[in-house]
Amino acid sequence: KAGVTQTPRYLIKTRGQQVTLSCSPISGHRSVSWYQQTPGQGLQFLFEYFSETQRNKGNFPGRFSGRQFSNSRSEMNVSTLELGDSALYLCASSFVKGDTEAFFGQGTRLTVV
Amino acid sequence: TQLLEQSPQFLSIQEGENLTVYCNSSSVFSSLQWYRQEPGEGPVLLVTVVTGGEVKKLKRLTFQFGDARKDSSLHITAAQPGDTGLYLCAGAPDSNYQLIWGAGTKLIIKP
Repeated sequence: KAGVTQTPRYLIKTRGQQVTLSCSPISGHRSVSWYQQTPGQGLQFLFEYFSETQRNKGNFPGRFSGRQFSNSRSEMNVSTLELGDSALYLCASSFVKGDTEAFFGQGTRLTVV
Repeated sequence: TQLLEQSPQFLSIQEGENLTVYCNSSSVFSSLQWYRQEPGEGPVLLVTVVTGGEVKKLKRLTFQFGDARKDSSLHITAAQPGDTGLYLCAGAPDSNYQLIWGAGTKLIIKP
């Protein structure tokens, strides 16, 4: 059974640009959550999607957005990139809404220069 | 705001030693998970504890959930270099299912 797949693994962008990250959950999993991880702040929750609907949202500015498709694949978008957006972005999938055990992808390392 | 505090933040010990990592909160959790994360990778689930006082063993790792379901500990016996990594705890509050994450304990086991 394939795990959670995130693409791309690494990304370098310039301030002001926008970026889209992709996450394919484990087959059969319908819940996808996104996290930002930095050395100083740890793991910060961005948002969670279930059945194409955003269920929860963390405390991030509107520049951070996401969506989920009918096949449960999810994308997150960050517009007008800032240097502080440099981080490891992690996607986690769960079988159903309310299933608290999360299975993570390897993450996308975003560097903003 | 519900918080999970992990201690210590950083631990560097010699191979063969024992260690304990703690995850504490003033809030009650319906379940608590422990994850290990290696550099550049996503966290990997190690164990889930759901019952107050529950003890689970995974080879040389022993996980305990506090009786009041507010805290947890991870004990490693005879640590090995392969145990090196960032250990994260995450709790599911009684009121909803969104995970609350600790900041992690960075563990280094020196050969």
